[in-house]
Amino acid sequence: DIQMTQSPSSVSASVGDRVTITCRASQGISSSLTWYQHKPGKAPKLLIYAASSLQSGVPSRFSGSGSGTDFTLTISSLQPEDFATYYCQQANSFPLTFGGGTKVEIK
Amino acid sequence: EVQLVESGGGLVQPGGSLRLSCGASGFTSSRYWMTWVRQAPGKGLEWVANIKQDGSEKYYVDSVKGRFTISSDNARSSLYLQMNSLRVEDAAVYYCAWYSSSCGCLDPWGQGTLVTVSS
Repeated sequence: DIQMTQSPSSVSASVGDRVTITCRASQGISSSLTWYQHKPGKAPKLLIYAASSLQSGVPSRFSGSGSGTDFTLTISSLQPEDFATYYCQQANSFPLTFGGGTKVEIK
Repeated sequence: EVQLVESGGGLVQPGGSLRLSCGASGFTSSRYWMTWVRQAPGKGLEWVANIKQDGSEKYYVDSVKGRFTISSDNARSSLYLQMNSLRVEDAAVYYCAWYSSSCGCLDPWGQGTLVTVSS
């Protein structure tokens, strides 16, 4: 199985800050990487697929990059509605596996 | 807009069974697989199972193989998860989601249904 390691596990940031979350796969997965945003009590939301493709309706302050084993999710200017937990997920093969999550908290 | 709604969660004793359902409304498509993902209390997301549109392929996480069965009824736009021999560690919020094989991504997701396993 492909293991996904996210870092940091949590980050404290202020509105307007640039936030970067990294995700590392235990083996190469090309660009088969997806990012989700999850708020408590809500359905997870697809942000980025194929490592860098922005899902329709997602603000352009979210961007993704990387290929192979190392990937990054960047929020260019953090907004109040962005405080949530973010997960990466490899889409290369079953079993699908998620990173442990990164909680973005208010500083 | 597609909406997925899960139901069937509840309290069950260890060793018991539960059947979760997921209904789709707004739009249905035969292009999508269906997926169950769970989140245990205080933990992250864990993929549980996938089923192809026609039911010809099913995949499970190792920890539920032989105990859980994923199925679908395309005529009713419904997805199911039969959970047998439940364990304390199966307690979680269970989400259903559409899986696009073109990107390997899950969208949309339902709001989830809570399964509690306790004596």
